[in-house]
Amino acid sequence: SQQGEEDPQALSIQEGENATMNCSYKTSINNLQWYRQNSGRGLVHLILIRSNEREKHSGRLRVTLDTSKKSSSLLITASRAADTASYFCATDMESSYKLIFGSGTRLLVRP
Amino acid sequence: KAGVTQTPRYLIKTRGQQVTLSCSPISGHRSVSWYQQTPGQGLQFLFEYFSETQRNKGNFPGRFSGRQFSNSRSEMNVSTLELGDSALYLCASSLGLGSGNTIYFGEGSWLTVV
Repeated sequence: SQQGEEDPQALSIQEGENATMNCSYKTSINNLQWYRQNSGRGLVHLILIRSNEREKHSGRLRVTLDTSKKSSSLLITASRAADTASYFCATDMESSYKLIFGSGTRLLVRP
Repeated sequence: KAGVTQTPRYLIKTRGQQVTLSCSPISGHRSVSWYQQTPGQGLQFLFEYFSETQRNKGNFPGRFSGRQFSNSRSEMNVSTLELGDSALYLCASSLGLGSGNTIYFGEGSWLTVV
């Protein structure tokens, strides 16, 4: 079973616009990680945010975490066509270190 | 520094056969985990190894097994293949066992069962 649900399932934006993806999870977590997956390829790690952190930045990426609402968001600013991919959140729960993935958001950035 | 390497990248097997997939973690990483990705079930955890010991196992039948060698390299095996085993199998590695370790994935092995 999947711990997380991602919203929206699909997102289409114009190059240069910002993209926001949301992830909700069910149980208490240690950390939350975001990954990108290009079609048919492996997962590329983007950001890890710990349960005691509220916000983290990496280049054009901004991740927030609200443990009271059991949710996280990934913001990609000034999107590029190369950002077209599926984005997944993954949590590791307090009781286990295995990653539980959300269903993913498919992002299409139109040139 | 080389990333997580998986072999083979693509393979086709017949129902009833068995398959072995190989994974070389990032140098220095001692934890290796495996995931299955299908369109219907998404990404699901198979198992995790650390220091040659299985530390965690997902909800998969006993046909799925794995092992880790002393050099941290890992293999997973699926016996008596079924059509539903067709999937992308992803290997991941991290420095240690436990929360807070960034987990890095390989490109995956595409398995098609016919």
